Amino acid sequence: ELVLTQSPGTLSLSPGERATLSCRASQSVSSSSLAWYQQKPGQAPRLLIHGPSSRATGIPDRFSGSGSGTDFTLTINRLEPEDFAVYYCQHYDGSSFTFGPGTKVDIK
Amino acid sequence: QVQLVESGGGLVKPGGSLRLSCASSAFTFSDYYMSWIRQVPGKGLEWVSYISSDASYTNDAESVRGRFTISRDNAKSSLYLQMNSLRVEDTAVYYCASVGVGGYFDSWGQGILVTVSS
Repeated sequence: ELVLTQSPGTLSLSPGERATLSCRASQSVSSSSLAWYQQKPGQAPRLLIHGPSSRATGIPDRFSGSGSGTDFTLTINRLEPEDFAVYYCQHYDGSSFTFGPGTKVDIK
Repeated sequence: QVQLVESGGGLVKPGGSLRLSCASSAFTFSDYYMSWIRQVPGKGLEWVSYISSDASYTNDAESVRGRFTISRDNAKSSLYLQMNSLRVEDTAVYYCASVGVGGYFDSWGQGILVTVSS
């Protein structure tokens, strides 16, 4: 069974800084089936990145994804106030879906 | 803009049943795989179930297998989740979502709370 581990659990940064979030898979996975979501309190998650580097519609270019095999990264350049949220990675293996536990990005 | 609206949540006793619905608009529902995902308040996301565009294939998470049934009515652009033998640990906000080609969830409903408690 695939396990996705996200680190750090919490990232405390200031607006304007860069955030680097990690998602590690317990086994090598297809990068085309790796996605990232943003969730703010009281809201549904929103797709940010899929495949693992294609931005979803309307997502600003300060968000970027990269990685392959077991290690994937979501980078947020120049944090804006609206970027402070929880971020989840997710993988699809052709028959089931797995989410990571999330990384909270909060204001330092 | 794609709209997904869940309904049917509420309070139910352990062992009880509930049927969630998800009504869609502004996209070709019948072209998409659809899924249910849940989230215990304050916790992470858990995939629950998904169904192919023509309803010929479904798959469920082990935690709900044999108790929950996903279905769809393409004529009504609606997705359903029949939940039987509910347990306290099924308490969560349930989201419906459309599934993109790569297995990502590209549109989400606002979520509906299901509370299982005596």
